[in-house]
Amino acid sequence: ETGVTQSPTHLIKTRGQQVTLRCSSQSGHNTVSWYQQALGQGPQFIFQYYREEENGRGNFPPRFSGLQFPNYSSELNVNALELDDSALYLCASSTPADTQYFGPGTRLTVL
Amino acid sequence: DQQVKQNSPSLSVQEGRISILNCDYTNSMFDYFLWYKKYPAEGPTFLISISSIKDKNEDGRFTVFLNKSAKHLSLHIVPSQPGDSAVYFCAASAAGTASKLTFGTGTRLQVTL
Repeated sequence: ETGVTQSPTHLIKTRGQQVTLRCSSQSGHNTVSWYQQALGQGPQFIFQYYREEENGRGNFPPRFSGLQFPNYSSELNVNALELDDSALYLCASSTPADTQYFGPGTRLTVL
Repeated sequence: DQQVKQNSPSLSVQEGRISILNCDYTNSMFDYFLWYKKYPAEGPTFLISISSIKDKNEDGRFTVFLNKSAKHLSLHIVPSQPGDSAVYFCAASAAGTASKLTFGTGTRLQVTL
């Protein structure tokens, strides 16, 4: 059974640029959630996708957007990057009412 | 507004002893609680969970206790092992939002020889 994978591992962008992060869910999971973990903090919920539809959103501005594909993989897009967007971005997959299993994360640095 | 709080940023315990990690929450809508462990350069790994209808759940060396009236939960690790050294996150979710987790800020556990 393949676990949750994320790409890329690390990414460096400059302010104002756009970035796309990718996540492949664990086999059998149809729900993907994205979290942002700033340094020294716990992960914060960005949004969740279930069967290709957004199913809940945290307190993040609209420049954070996402997609889920028919194979349940997902993308997180961030437009107009700001310095405070520098963080570890975590993807978690699950079935809707089940425990979430996390990928290794993508470390984004905004200069 | 920190709805899930882990007030101890770090904890050091000798190998073989008990580790007790604490977590407090403020949102009375939370009804499901989880503990995750995180090593550097890895994503959080699920450890153990508890529903609000229980006050204790045990899995091997790990036990989670829930005190609903105090809005407090704790994770006990007995006996502690050097491989347990990691950052531990407490997380909570509310009815109808089972997958939207609210995390604490984590406690770094160091198990010494």
